[in-house]
Amino acid sequence: EPEVTQTPSHQVTQMGQEVILRCVPISNHLYFYWYRQILGQKVEFLVSFYNNEISEKSEIFDDQFSVERPDGSNFTLKIRSTKLEDSAMYFCASSGARGETQYFGPGTRLLVL
Amino acid sequence: KQEVTQIPAALSVPEGENLVLNCSFTDSAIYNLQWFRQDPGKGLTSLLLIQSSQREQTSGRLNASLDKSSGRSTLYIAASQPGDSATYLCAASFNTDKLIFGTGTRLQVFP
Repeated sequence: EPEVTQTPSHQVTQMGQEVILRCVPISNHLYFYWYRQILGQKVEFLVSFYNNEISEKSEIFDDQFSVERPDGSNFTLKIRSTKLEDSAMYFCASSGARGETQYFGPGTRLLVL
Repeated sequence: KQEVTQIPAALSVPEGENLVLNCSFTDSAIYNLQWFRQDPGKGLTSLLLIQSSQREQTSGRLNASLDKSSGRSTLYIAASQPGDSATYLCAASFNTDKLIFGTGTRLQVFP
């Protein structure tokens, strides 16, 4: 069964460093999303992406964040200068069409020291 | 402000019981609602999606209902098993694809 994959599973970085989180969505899906979950808190929406551009972004998704689909299979989230409060589990998701089921990847646990 | 809440926060039941998890949302202009399962430290597994035009969806021992007028959804789990132990999340979208999540119900089914 097709699934969303994410790499790395864990990443530890120093405050101020850049990180890139990678995702491979389900192959025929067209809509891509990033969410995050700070330990003990709700899952929060960050950004949605369709047709090579951002469809919607949350207040969390400020200038330090960017997304890219560099090729036909990968979808990346870049954090330019990480802060302690960026420590969270980051989930990528994809769906085949608007309003369809969003399938989530296993997540990348990011720890900023 | 669009919000999703879930009660109870935690539930512990003996194996074999039928149970209901509740989810409520503040905006009746819901687009769709999705139920997920999350195991500790893991990702989200989609269980059921209910479109705004539907009243319920079923998958195996799971049945989810949607009542837009009262702002509620329920997830019914029949004949619960220890393997059902996990956190169950509901998430709603309103006019866009952005999912707004509840805080989840942590379910423990003991043998």
